[in-house]
Amino acid sequence: AIRMTQSPSSFSASTGDRVTITCRASQHISSYLAWYQQKPGKAPNLLIYGASTLQGGVPSRFSGSGSGTDFTLTITWLQSEDFATYYCQQYYGYPRTFGQGTKVEIK
Amino acid sequence: EVQLLESGGGLVQPGGSLRLSCVASGFNFSTYAMSWVRQAPGRGPEWVSDISGRNFGPNYADSVKGRFTISRDNSKNTLYLQMNSLRAEDTAIYYCAKEVLGVPDYYFDYWGQGALVTVSS
Repeated sequence: AIRMTQSPSSFSASTGDRVTITCRASQHISSYLAWYQQKPGKAPNLLIYGASTLQGGVPSRFSGSGSGTDFTLTITWLQSEDFATYYCQQYYGYPRTFGQGTKVEIK
Repeated sequence: EVQLLESGGGLVQPGGSLRLSCVASGFNFSTYAMSWVRQAPGRGPEWVSDISGRNFGPNYADSVKGRFTISRDNSKNTLYLQMNSLRAEDTAIYYCAKEVLGVPDYYFDYWGQGALVTVSS
């Protein structure tokens, strides 16, 4: 199975900050990568697919980049509603696999 | 509005069985593949099983192969997961998730609220 490794596992940030989360695949996955946001007690919510395409209704402060094995999720001008856990997911090969998550906490 | 509503979770002893259901609304259910994705406490999501819109070729994670069976009834807009020989490590929230196409292999654009399955004696 393709292993997805996110870094950091957690960090603290302030409203208005620009934050970057990294996801690394254990093998080449082209651009077959999605990002999700999950808040406590809720299901994951799709943010980005195809490594960089924003899902409808997702604010433009979210962006994704990368291809091959290294990917990033960037949130410019962090808002209070963005404090959550973020997961990457590859859909290049079976089984589809997720990263372990990056928790963005309030500083 | 797309809605996915799971039911059937609960507490079960090791070796026992449960059947989860997911009723879908707000989209043409038979057109889309569907998946079950679970999430153990404090961990990332784990894909469990998927099925195409036309009921072809279900796929399973190795961890559940031979114990879980996915199925769907397109006439009832309902997805099922029959879970047998349950183990403690199957304890998780189980989400029903809609795929973006009629065949699986992609990402998930809508998720249900989840059904908690606890396997314990």
